[in-house]
Amino acid sequence: DADVTQTPRNRITKTGKRIMLECSQTKGHDRMYWYRQDPGLGLRLIYYSFDVKDINKGEISDGYSVSRQAQAKFSLSLESAIPNQTALYFCATSDSQGGINEQFFGPGTRLTVL
Amino acid sequence: ILNVEQSPQSLHVQEGDSTNFTCSFPSSNFYALHWYRWETAKSPEALFVMTLNGDEKKKGRISATLNTKEGYSYLYIKGSQPEDSATYLCAFNSGGSNYKLTFGKGTLLTVNP
Repeated sequence: DADVTQTPRNRITKTGKRIMLECSQTKGHDRMYWYRQDPGLGLRLIYYSFDVKDINKGEISDGYSVSRQAQAKFSLSLESAIPNQTALYFCATSDSQGGINEQFFGPGTRLTVL
Repeated sequence: ILNVEQSPQSLHVQEGDSTNFTCSFPSSNFYALHWYRWETAKSPEALFVMTLNGDEKKKGRISATLNTKEGYSYLYIKGSQPEDSATYLCAFNSGGSNYKLTFGKGTLLTVNP
């Protein structure tokens, strides 16, 4: 079984709809991250969390919100989806011990906003 | 905003060729440099984490070097195989209390049989 899972894997929605992407991990890591990937732009950090109920903005947090109610789960919400939020979204986790911050990625969620 | 640059953006080689690409990053406040391999339709997977100037890491036919003083890392692939086709991402960690990774845009490698 995968250590970091994301649901759904694919989602097509319409402009203005509220969408939630879920991330779960069994690695026991305290840190979790949400990234989006757009062609030619690499991975950009949306939000990150270092512990339960800890929330920090990344580079591109506008239009997104997150929730970390349990160590194993980190959800990303788009309150009112717009077409330029069409992208591939990755969740990642890391362990604060050691400081190296090696990140482990989920399989990605492909979101299309029409 | 930290600037992490990778070159080339894409690369096509023939099976059996050796190849290399570059990651440039800030030479100040260095903590660690990560390399990830990302195959299409899969998750990025960690290849190497390097922390010391002069570090060299090797995994099979893939190796990497690190120069923190001048702010660059090279990734080498010896005798490329079609299964090496992927996007190779580097990520910079400046450490401290802020353990975020800043990713480059990646180098897309295509190995033709």
